[in-house]
Amino acid sequence: DAKTTQPTSMDCAEGRAANLPCNHSTISGNEYVYWYRQIHSQGPQYIIHGLKNNETNEMASLIITEDRKSSTLILPHATLRDTAVYYCIVRVAGSSNTGKLIFGQGTTLQVKP
Amino acid sequence: DSGVTQTPKHLITATGQRVTLRCSPRSGDLSVYWYQQSLDQGLQFLIQYYNGEERAKGNILERFSAQQFPDLHSELNLSSLELGDSALYFCASSVDKLNTGELFFGEGSRLTVL
Repeated sequence: DAKTTQPTSMDCAEGRAANLPCNHSTISGNEYVYWYRQIHSQGPQYIIHGLKNNETNEMASLIITEDRKSSTLILPHATLRDTAVYYCIVRVAGSSNTGKLIFGQGTTLQVKP
Repeated sequence: DSGVTQTPKHLITATGQRVTLRCSPRSGDLSVYWYQQSLDQGLQFLIQYYNGEERAKGNILERFSAQQFPDLHSELNLSSLELGDSALYFCASSVDKLNTGELFFGEGSRLTVL
């Protein structure tokens, strides 16, 4: 699975959009980009994933660049409850993969009042 | 609530002892994953079971073992415990039919070895 690079930490004002970047310059054509988050010692929580098109769900939007070498997770209106460590993970989906996820160090997002 | 249940939530024991952590996956999920999270190592993948059989192995020590039972619940056994085994242990489950990458994590078992 391709390696990802994320900033160690970021701040965001409450009510503003939080934009979390992720670099995955060695991504392969069949690898998806996944985002998870972990709120203070709770179990990680799935947020969103995508292959090459932008994706949106009730939690967030995922913007993937055309060359797929980087992506941005957008939390449109951050709240204090969004303070967490956000993990960007690149992996192959489908039956050729065991299903496991390999987590990096992630980005600690601090949402401030 | 992810639907994944882990017990116990907290466990304190001494070095050299043996403990068992238990995980009940979401109803219908066939895969169970175990992760270890310590302060200096982040989330480390330990092992995965699919429908009772070992499917993938990560950085799991020989002192640790796991199994998945016919009812699909799983147990992680940690033996000859050392201070460095103190950590949060997470279990996750997934349906795994399409391998979409969406894993559902439990709230973890916090192990403290004194």
